[in-house]
Amino acid sequence: KAGVTQTPRYLIKTRGQQVTLSCSPISGHRSVSWYQQTPGQGLQFLFEYFSETQRNKGNFPGRFSGRQFSNSRSEMNVSTLELGDSALYLCASSLESLENTGELFFGEGSRLTVL
Amino acid sequence: AQKVTQAQTEISVVEKEDVTLDCVYETRDTTYYLFWYKQPPSGELVFLIRRNSFDEQNEISGRYSWNFQKSTSSFNFTITASQVVDSAVYFCALRDGGSNYKLTFGKGTLLTVNP
Repeated sequence: KAGVTQTPRYLIKTRGQQVTLSCSPISGHRSVSWYQQTPGQGLQFLFEYFSETQRNKGNFPGRFSGRQFSNSRSEMNVSTLELGDSALYLCASSLESLENTGELFFGEGSRLTVL
Repeated sequence: AQKVTQAQTEISVVEKEDVTLDCVYETRDTTYYLFWYKQPPSGELVFLIRRNSFDEQNEISGRYSWNFQKSTSSFNFTITASQVVDSAVYFCALRDGGSNYKLTFGKGTLLTVNP
């Protein structure tokens, strides 16, 4: 069973640019969450999508956005990049069921460097 | 608001030593879920265990064991006879009991097991 796949794994951008990251969840998983990981702030929740709808959102500015497609694949976009956006962006998928409540399966992440 | 505290930033042990990673949490919810994840250098967060708030039974899985105590809001993780392959960052996380799939993570503990 394939795991969560994130692309690209590494990317370098300059301030002011925008970036789109992609996440393919485990087959059958309909919930996709995004987290930002930085040395200073640790792991912080960005947002969660389920059936193409954003269900939850963290405390990030509007420059951070996302969407989910009918096949559950998700993308997140960061516009007008700032140096502080340099981070590892982790995607996680989850099977929506009582037995698997809250168990997230993570991808290896997309490491973004903003110069 | 939910909060997870991992007071130990870094721990270094010699192979075969036992090591305990501490986790203290705060939540107002009566139903919640606690997790431990392992993050090796590759970046992917690997799920280790989930514990429900209404189940205080301790659990052992091979060399891993978890001690959940609601009275002290702690969910500690012990590795017995540590091995070099156990070297990683370990995260404790908390999720409330609703359909919200947001995890609140601690800052993580970097465990280094030296040969």
